[in-house]
Amino acid sequence: GNSVTQMEGPVTLSEEAFLTINCTYTATGYPSLFWYVQYPGEGLQLLLKATKADDKGSNKGFEATYRKETTSFHLEKGSVQVSDSAVYFCALSDGGGANSKLTFGKGITLSVRP
Amino acid sequence: DTGVSQNPRHKITKRGQNVTFRCDPISEHNRLYWYRQTLGQGPEFLTYFQNEAQLEKSRLLSDRFSAERPKGSFSTLEIQRTEQGDSAMYLCAGGTSSGTDTQYFGPGTRLTVL
Repeated sequence: GNSVTQMEGPVTLSEEAFLTINCTYTATGYPSLFWYVQYPGEGLQLLLKATKADDKGSNKGFEATYRKETTSFHLEKGSVQVSDSAVYFCALSDGGGANSKLTFGKGITLSVRP
Repeated sequence: DTGVSQNPRHKITKRGQNVTFRCDPISEHNRLYWYRQTLGQGPEFLTYFQNEAQLEKSRLLSDRFSAERPKGSFSTLEIQRTEQGDSAMYLCAGGTSSGTDTQYFGPGTRLTVL
């Protein structure tokens, strides 16, 4: 079946540091890939997505590239802010764009200190 | 704000009691998904509806769980004879069957079974 593996956390960075959060996946077919973020006390929000190989999703300074050859979708940001402190989830959807169920990784907590 | 609401936000119950949660997506969401999230884990798929039809159920959804979406708008998730292992955050998400495969999550209902 489908699965998503995220790097172990938590991650603590200083403000303006470079961020990389690793995500790899196992799936049949051609999944879409997502990063969702959960800020303290709030619900899951879509951060970015990519629907086919070599697509790059970007939002709020975050980027991730759909790498089919390495089955990866690593999240990066050049300069993190305190407001980026949250839990980040990598996810995939099966069904090739038919808006079917999401499979999530375990999530990783990011803390950014001033 | 995704426009998806869930009620109640918190529910504390005693083992063996029945509980019911409600999810209200926005009107454009003909698909509605239920997920369960336990501490330190990513959300896990439970079931989904397209309009009023329940199209898929996870093996996680035991016979004690039932979900409905009677008019293709709001949905309810009922758990009968609750067990301590049912304690979790129950998330609802809305989406559409055409175009983007993004899902929009509500704030969740946190269930605690004593």
